[in-house]
Amino acid sequence: KQEVTQIPAALSVPEGENLVLNCSFTDSAIYNLQWFRQDPGKGLTSLLLIQSSQREQTSGRLNASLDKSSGRSTLYIAASQPGDSATYLCAVGADSSYKLIFGSGTRLLVRP
Amino acid sequence: GAVVSQHPSWVICKSGTSVKIECRSLDFQATTMFWYRQFPKQSLMLMATSNEGSKATYEQGVEKDKFLINHASLTLSTLTVTSAHPEDSSFYICSAHTDTQYFGPGTRLTVL
Repeated sequence: KQEVTQIPAALSVPEGENLVLNCSFTDSAIYNLQWFRQDPGKGLTSLLLIQSSQREQTSGRLNASLDKSSGRSTLYIAASQPGDSATYLCAVGADSSYKLIFGSGTRLLVRP
Repeated sequence: GAVVSQHPSWVICKSGTSVKIECRSLDFQATTMFWYRQFPKQSLMLMATSNEGSKATYEQGVEKDKFLINHASLTLSTLTVTSAHPEDSSFYICSAHTDTQYFGPGTRLTVL
C-alpha cells in the first residue's frame, strides 16, 4: 500500500529565505506526483505536476524534483514571501485511474 | 484553468438528517470525479471515485450506504451523507479529472 510522508510538518521562515519541502513515498511505481497548495479552509490549488518520466518541473519561484528510485520529491521555493504561507501537499498518482494519495502536508509560515 | 464548484460551501445540520453536496465542473466534462474528506489538520483521504453513468467505487473503510454518490451527468456529481452524526463533521472536497485534477473549494459540514 502506497504511503506518502511529508517532512517537516511545519516550517516557519523569515521572508526572503529559500526553502525546501520534502515528500517521500513507499512504492516507486508511481504514475505521477503533484504538489498542491491549500489555504486555511479552502480547496486545493495545483502548483506543479511531474510525470513519472520527468525529473523536475519549474513554475516561477517554484521547482519540484522527482527521484522515483529513492521515492522522493522536493519542492523548492525561492525567495519566500508572506503570501507563500499555506499548507503544501504532495500527492502521488498511483496509476492511470487518476486517484491521488496525499501526504499529511507541510504548514509553511513566512514571517514578514 | 478549469473550474470546479461545490455547493453548499458550508452546512450545519442536526444529527440524523441527510445532507447533499454538489460538485460541478463548470467548463469541462468529467467522466471521473473524486470525493475526499479532510479532518482538521489532517490530509485529504480519498473516499470514493465517481464514474458517470455507473456505480461509484469506494475506498476501503468508507460505508457506501452512508455516503451515497451519484454521477448523473458529465458535469455533476453529488455526495449525500445519510443520517449524519457529529463524527461525520469534516471538510469534503471533490475533484474532477480532465487533463489533470481540478479541485473544488470544499464544503464544511458540521453535524450538531
